[in-house]
Amino acid sequence: AQSVTQLGSHVSVSEGALVLLRCNYSSSVPPYLFWYVQYPNQGLQLLLKYTTGATLVKGINGFEAEFKKSETSFHLTKPSAHMSDAAEYFCAVSSFTGGFKTIFGAGTRLFVKA
Amino acid sequence: EPEVTQTPSHQVTQMGQEVILRCVPISNHLYFYWYRQILGQKVEFLVSFYNNEISEKSEIFDDQFSVERPDGSNFTLKIRSTKLEDSAMYFCASSESRSTDTQYFGPGTRLTVL
Repeated sequence: AQSVTQLGSHVSVSEGALVLLRCNYSSSVPPYLFWYVQYPNQGLQLLLKYTTGATLVKGINGFEAEFKKSETSFHLTKPSAHMSDAAEYFCAVSSFTGGFKTIFGAGTRLFVKA
Repeated sequence: EPEVTQTPSHQVTQMGQEVILRCVPISNHLYFYWYRQILGQKVEFLVSFYNNEISEKSEIFDDQFSVERPDGSNFTLKIRSTKLEDSAMYFCASSESRSTDTQYFGPGTRLTVL
């Protein structure tokens, strides 16, 4: 069975500060990992994904995430927060287990203070 | 840029009524998905669909739910007899191939059951 745990339902940072959103996963097969962002009243937009290969993945809007198998983690970072980064962020895990299914974490709402 | 579209954006219905939520996936995509997000909660997988049949479904997707691809462009989710707890945002998504590929999400349909 797969699961995703996002540590911290709310994270608040100052503009220009480092953003760190934590995600840990559980999967019985090699996972494929995703970060999505959701702005108010909008759908989900893919930030980045890890499938295979390089464990440090770069995405849109300056975000990146590192897959650490030993820690079962896929934390999302951005060196310098911008006001426009304020949104809900979802970590997700997917794997082919005879079917196609993506499991989402509970989400972390990012607040950016001026 | 191609995008997934969903109609209607907001549906209000009476408990016990049938509703059909419509989605137009990206045209060359082969895999289709429905997710739901109850207000303030995480995104939950409902069902995936490939080659005109359900590939996988969650425990939420009971006999009250069905999906169909009635023509070459639409992908629908039907709820036969809505309950209050079906009130949620329903997202359609599509991907070009396997679930390891990026899933593109539509903007969602907000379903309100009274």
